[in-house]
Amino acid sequence: AQSVAQPEDQVNVAEGNPLTVKCTYSVSGNPYLFWYVQYPNRGLQFLLKYITGDNLVKGSYGFEAEFNKSQTSFHLKKPSALVSDSALYFCAVRDQKKSSGDKLTFGTGTRLAVRP
Amino acid sequence: KAGVTQTPRYLIKTRGQQVTLSCSPISGHRSVSWYQQTPGQGLQFLFEYFSETQRNKGNFPGRFSGRQFSNSRSEMNVSTLELGDSALYLCASSPSGASGTEAFFGQGTRLTVV
Repeated sequence: AQSVAQPEDQVNVAEGNPLTVKCTYSVSGNPYLFWYVQYPNRGLQFLLKYITGDNLVKGSYGFEAEFNKSQTSFHLKKPSALVSDSALYFCAVRDQKKSSGDKLTFGTGTRLAVRP
Repeated sequence: KAGVTQTPRYLIKTRGQQVTLSCSPISGHRSVSWYQQTPGQGLQFLFEYFSETQRNKGNFPGRFSGRQFSNSRSEMNVSTLELGDSALYLCASSPSGASGTEAFFGQGTRLTVV
C-alpha cells in the first residue's frame, strides 16, 4: 500500500519570503513523486517530479523539491513566494512497480496563502 | 497539443438517477485514470484504464464503473446516485502509466446530487 502525508492544512508566508510545503510518503518499493497545484474550480497542474538521480528537482514557476530517501520526504520549496502562488498544493506518490500502473495516491493537500 | 477534455463541466442530478461523465485524453496517451475530489475525503482514486482494460481499481462501490474505447476516450458511470456522490470528478491521462511520466489532468466535472 502507498500513502502520502501532508502535515499542514495551511501554510502562510509573506511575499518575497521563502516557502516550504511538507510531504512524506510510504511505498513498498521505490517511489515516483509528484507535486501538483490546484487553483479554484480547476483541475490539477503538474509542477515537478522525482524519478531517480539528483535529489533536488526543479520545476515550473520557480518551484523545486528535495527528495530525502532516509526521511521518506519530498518537500516543495520556493526561494521567494509570490501572491499568485496562493493555491492548493498536492503531493502524490506512485510505486515504481508495474502493477501500480498509473495509480497516484495523493496527500490531503496544503493551502498556501501568500500575503502581500 | 490539446489537453485533457472532460465533459460536461457541471451537472446537477437527482438522487437515484444515473450519470455518465466523459474524458478525452491527450492524443497518444493510452492510460486514463479517474479521481473523486471532495472536501472531506480529498482526492481518491477510482480506477485506471489502459488499452481498453481496467488496470487498477480503488475502493468504491460497484455503482461506480467505467470503460475505455479503442481511441482511448473514457467514460465513467455512476448509478443510483446518492447525495454523497456530489464531488469534482477528475480525469487524468498519461502515455502509458507504468513509468515516471506525469499524469495530465482535465478541469473536472462538478457533479451535484440533490
